[in-house]
Amino acid sequence: AQSVAQPEDQVNVAEGNPLTVKCTYSVSGNPYLFWYVQYPNRGLQFLLKYITGDNLVKGSYGFEAEFNKSQTSFHLKKPSALVSDSALYFCAVRDPNTGFQKLVFGTGTRLLVSP
Amino acid sequence: DTAVSQTPKYLVTQMGNDKSIKCEQNLGHDTMYWYKQDSKKFLKIMFSYNNKELIINETVPNRFSPKSPDKAHLNLHINSLELGDSAVYFCASSPRTSGGAGELFFGEGSRLTVL
Repeated sequence: AQSVAQPEDQVNVAEGNPLTVKCTYSVSGNPYLFWYVQYPNRGLQFLLKYITGDNLVKGSYGFEAEFNKSQTSFHLKKPSALVSDSALYFCAVRDPNTGFQKLVFGTGTRLLVSP
Repeated sequence: DTAVSQTPKYLVTQMGNDKSIKCEQNLGHDTMYWYKQDSKKFLKIMFSYNNKELIINETVPNRFSPKSPDKAHLNLHINSLELGDSAVYFCASSPRTSGGAGELFFGEGSRLTVL
């Protein structure tokens, strides 16, 4: 069964600095990988996804993520953090070989960007 | 126009009661989901319907019964509510793209509090 791990409960970064939110995954075949953001008392919003092709994926709000098959990772990055980026970030994986509709989420990482 | 809408947004009820949460999507998607987010923000899939047909049924107590009258609606009925059912329930939908590459679109959530 597919799974995803987010090793950091919280990431702190100063505004203007680069940020990285880590994610590693486990699937039997080639994964479909997703990042979502959740603001307080809101639903999850899609940021970006990796399905196939270029390992560097660009998404909404200046975020990008790099798929690394050898390290089974899909870390979320942004070159310059904004205070408004402070939110809860979820990585998710879908294994197209075992049930194409089941999207499994990580435990979430809280990003705090200080002014 | 709200793409995925859930009602009610807040629900406070007593143990033992029965309650329903309704979800509607106007995106034309074929697949809809219910996810549960607990107090630690963990997200777990409960059910998924594809064009009114149940395709994912995770280990969820029988007290939870989803119903999909058409592909734009997915309701969740909960019988004999327990304290542990307190959570935020998210409805989501996704397009039926080839191999499951489509992202999920989430509603704003329904916060259920059982007293």
